[in-house]
Amino acid sequence: DVQMTQSPSSLSASVGDRVTITCQASQDISKSLNWYQQQPGKAPQLLIYDASNLVRGVPSRFNATGSGTDFTFTISSLHPEDIATYYCQQYDDLFQFTFGPGTKVDMK
Amino acid sequence: EVQLLQSGAEVKKPGESLKISCQVPGDSFNAYWIGWVRQMSGKGLEWVGIIYPPDSDTRYNPSFEGHVTIAADRSTYTVYLQWSSLKASDTAIYYCARDWYSGSYRYWGQGTLVTVSS
Repeated sequence: DVQMTQSPSSLSASVGDRVTITCQASQDISKSLNWYQQQPGKAPQLLIYDASNLVRGVPSRFNATGSGTDFTFTISSLHPEDIATYYCQQYDDLFQFTFGPGTKVDMK
Repeated sequence: EVQLLQSGAEVKKPGESLKISCQVPGDSFNAYWIGWVRQMSGKGLEWVGIIYPPDSDTRYNPSFEGHVTIAADRSTYTVYLQWSSLKASDTAIYYCARDWYSGSYRYWGQGTLVTVSS
């Protein structure tokens, strides 16, 4: 089974800061990697699919790159509404999905 | 916008059975995989399993297989997650979600809180 790790597990940042989260897979997953935002008390929201593609309607300050085992998610300029937990998620050909443990972003 | 509508919160005792539901728009029900995701209080997201409603092809996370059952009712466009014998450790919010592209879940239900307590 593919295992996912994320770092950091939490971070504090100020409005306008650049925020970077990394996600690592235990084996090569090509670009089968998605990113979600979960605001407190809400269902998750898909932000990025296929490692680097922004979902329509998601602000362009969100960006992601990577392939293989190493992936990076970036918020170029933190907004107050970006306070949330962010999860990476991989999908494989055996219909197994795995979420990373999450990164909690709060305001400094 | 695709809306998935989940059944309401449940409070059960250990050992009891439970079936929670997710109503799916017909065009989505007939063309996409529907998944379930667990979130225990204060914890992360865990993928439970998925079903393809047109033929009820079902796949499970090995960590959940044998303890839960995912099923679909084609007459009501409803997907179910069910337990025959609940444990206190099943206490969590359960989300249904529709597969979209490349194994991603773009459309989510509002979540169903399941509380198992004696």
